[in-house]
Amino acid sequence: KAGVTQTPRYLIKTRGQQVTLSCSPISGHRSVSWYQQTPGQGLQFLFEYFSETQRNKGNFPGRFSGRQFSNSRSEMNVSTLELGDSALYLCASSLGGAPPQETQYFGPGTRLLVL
Amino acid sequence: QKEVEQDPGPLSVPEGAIVSLNCTYSNSAFQYFMWYRQYSRKGPELLMYTYSSGNKEDGRFTAQVDKSSKYISLFIRDSQPSDSATYLCAMSDRGSTLGRLYFGRGTQLTVWP
Repeated sequence: KAGVTQTPRYLIKTRGQQVTLSCSPISGHRSVSWYQQTPGQGLQFLFEYFSETQRNKGNFPGRFSGRQFSNSRSEMNVSTLELGDSALYLCASSLGGAPPQETQYFGPGTRLLVL
Repeated sequence: QKEVEQDPGPLSVPEGAIVSLNCTYSNSAFQYFMWYRQYSRKGPELLMYTYSSGNKEDGRFTAQVDKSSKYISLFIRDSQPSDSATYLCAMSDRGSTLGRLYFGRGTQLTVWP
């Protein structure tokens, strides 16, 4: 079974631009969670989608948004990029049920550099 | 105070050593515990999960949970150079935070031949 895939793998943007990152979950998984990983803060939760609905949201500004499609693929968007948005963005998928079904499997991440 | 605390290391051990990695947490609602391994420039890879106090063993890895002390550990026996990576503990409370994991900062481990 194919793992979680994320595109693009690397991205360079300038301040003020916007960016869209894509995540394809493991086949059959209905939950997709997004995290931001930085050396200073570690992994921080952005939001989670299940069956096209956002169920949970972390403490990030409204510039960070996401959505999920009917095939469970998910996108996240960051508008008006700031230098501090430079990070590894990880998505994780799970079946979305009770343990161990909610165990999350991570993709390789998208490394975003904002100049 | 972060909800999950983990010593970032770095930790450097010789091949064959027993490695002990630890996390403490403050939220008594956490009931589901995981360990992930992350190689440089890769995504985290799930190593072990458990949702009860006690020990769980998988090959060279043993996960230990002590809910009364809010303390979890991962032991690696007969460590190998291929174990060199960052180890992340993660946990969830399965309540209102469905789909959200709380992570430690990670411990960087190097196993030298």
